[in-house]
Amino acid sequence: TQLLEQSPQFLSIQEGENLTVYCNSSSVFSSLQWYRQEPGEGPVLLVTVVTGGEVKKLKRLTFQFGDARKDSSLHITAAQPGDTGLYLCAGALNNNDMRFGAGTRLTVKP
Amino acid sequence: DTGVSQDPRHKITKRGQNVTFRCDPISEHNRLYWYRQTLGQGPEFLTYFQNEAQLEKSRLLSDRFSAERPKGSFSTLEIQRTEQGDSAMYLCASSPARRLYGYTFGSGTRLTVV
Repeated sequence: TQLLEQSPQFLSIQEGENLTVYCNSSSVFSSLQWYRQEPGEGPVLLVTVVTGGEVKKLKRLTFQFGDARKDSSLHITAAQPGDTGLYLCAGALNNNDMRFGAGTRLTVKP
Repeated sequence: DTGVSQDPRHKITKRGQNVTFRCDPISEHNRLYWYRQTLGQGPEFLTYFQNEAQLEKSRLLSDRFSAERPKGSFSTLEIQRTEQGDSAMYLCASSPARRLYGYTFGSGTRLTVV
């Protein structure tokens, strides 16, 4: 069982649609990060959220950290084919322990 | 500094052979992490260095696995007597002392044990 559950596991949408992916846990995290990973490459950091209830925007991407710091969501507006990839959330349990979810594999069709 | 470098990118080895991977982190980063990722899964923590000290090891890291970071610079991960279950992507990441800056990952080493 994963410490961080990501949903949906797979998502295929048309260009221009909006989407939200989720990252849930029963554990409390001191911070949470979102990464995007393309095939054959390492994950690339998108954002770090630290405070419960925090919302961060990165162009068309909106990240939210739950009030209790146990969950997070990533919303993408007007998805583009370049958004295609594996979206991973990672929670920091303590100063040294960062746990990753299994990811949401997003495909945006032109 | 162009980021975290890992070498080789791909390695195919026969079961029972030893393999060694190298990671060159971002020079200003004193923390270095090794993760393993299998198909359909997120990265799993293996071990962590702060400078040259190995501070934490996952239970996933059996006695066939050893990691070093001499002089707090590059790191090596060695797997002895490889097994087919060791086939995976091995990812290295580095970060500054303040983890809020997040991890910078390398492109990984894809290991295939045949």
